[in-house]
Amino acid sequence: GQQLNQSPQSMFIQEGEDVSMNCTSSSIFNTWLWYKQEPGEGPVLLIALYKAGELTSNGRLTAQFGITRKDSFLNISASIPSDVGIYFCAGRGGTASKLTFGTGTRLQVTL
Amino acid sequence: GAGVSQSPRYKVAKRGQDVALRCDPISGHVSLFWYQQALGQGPEFLTYFQNEAQLDKSGLPSDRFFAERPEGSVSTLKIQRTQQEDSAVYLCASSPVQGAGYTFGSGTRLTVV
Repeated sequence: GQQLNQSPQSMFIQEGEDVSMNCTSSSIFNTWLWYKQEPGEGPVLLIALYKAGELTSNGRLTAQFGITRKDSFLNISASIPSDVGIYFCAGRGGTASKLTFGTGTRLQVTL
Repeated sequence: GAGVSQSPRYKVAKRGQDVALRCDPISGHVSLFWYQQALGQGPEFLTYFQNEAQLDKSGLPSDRFFAERPEGSVSTLKIQRTQQEDSAVYLCASSPVQGAGYTFGSGTRLTVV
């Protein structure tokens, strides 16, 4: 099935560094969501975006809904060890309720 | 309950065996979704229920996959005559209304040997 393109595929950063990742689609979406998944667990919702151009923050996380509605960005500031995990973007288009997920960005944080 | 509960957490099936995976959504959540997550991939949509009605089953990979939610709460995903390519984590999610962000369960890891 279709999966959105996420980059980078993986990141190894030091504690305290800022992180940026993005997600692109060939289709237009009306909603963009960012999830974090840890081993053995389901994805946990971090941020939801509902409007093109919207910029939303949740603590150290900031996400943007791209103006073309075909992309989204997630930034994490001042990373800490508990930020380790796989980050997935997900888009929802039209009247559909289902989400299309990205391929994931694996984040590793070293002390 | 407080979250979405899935059982069993792990299932090993011999090729050709039928399996049934259970999902208990958050109480009162109208929408329920099943996703399949292969190793190293993002979740892929299988099917969607609103209450007891299965509104979208476009993601079910074959007629060996069947899902039901007869009373609009608990849902079961059944896979008949399992094959090795069915090995994956099966995630269930629920949401209070259509269009809201979902809450996922921890998933059932199915291994077909």
